[in-house]
Amino acid sequence: DSGVTQTPKHLITATGQRVTLRCSPRSGDLSVYWYQQSLDQGLQFLIQYYNGEERAKGNILERFSAQQFPDLHSELNLSSLELGDSALYFCASSVGRGRGEKLFFGSGTQLSVL
Amino acid sequence: KNQVEQSPQSLIILEGKNCTLQCNYTVSPFSNLRWYKQDTGRGPVSLTIMTFSENTKSNGRYTATLDADTKQSSLHITASQLSDSASYICVVTTDSWGKLQFGAGTQVVVTP
Repeated sequence: DSGVTQTPKHLITATGQRVTLRCSPRSGDLSVYWYQQSLDQGLQFLIQYYNGEERAKGNILERFSAQQFPDLHSELNLSSLELGDSALYFCASSVGRGRGEKLFFGSGTQLSVL
Repeated sequence: KNQVEQSPQSLIILEGKNCTLQCNYTVSPFSNLRWYKQDTGRGPVSLTIMTFSENTKSNGRYTATLDADTKQSSLHITASQLSDSASYICVVTTDSWGKLQFGAGTQVVVTP
């Protein structure tokens, strides 16, 4: 167990809908990262938050947004969902800003858009 | 084009045998290189982290090597076990703010 908790584990929804994925980092970790992993694809970095503030942005679509709350948990909001958004979404956390640090990954949320 | 290329794409080995996975990268500047193990449907788990000054690092039966001059790394699995069946991902970190570039992974299947 990595100590990173993601909910829900599975999510099935329809095109055009909006969903929210939740992540609780390991106790004491200030950084939260979101990654998308499509079938047979490598992990794609979406966004990083450090202590409540956005620190880095990757290949995140405008339909997607995220935030990190004062208690350090994070939410990833996906709207106007398309079939191609079906993927495994991982959250990871680290103690500091990330450089050189070990990342701890949650078990992921499997999103299926029908 | 992916800046981190892994080979082979997949590999089947007999239990008890050794295998070596390759990772070539073009990421620059380079900060560190990581190997992760990802079981199906689970999050990746860190195996090793190496900076450019480290040539080798071990974690149990896993040994990673790094040649920063040729921008190549390998992960050697010794005396494979059925539980080694997983995807092994090479990840390179740039110097900027620590952005990670992920390889597509090598799928390893260990058979009895």
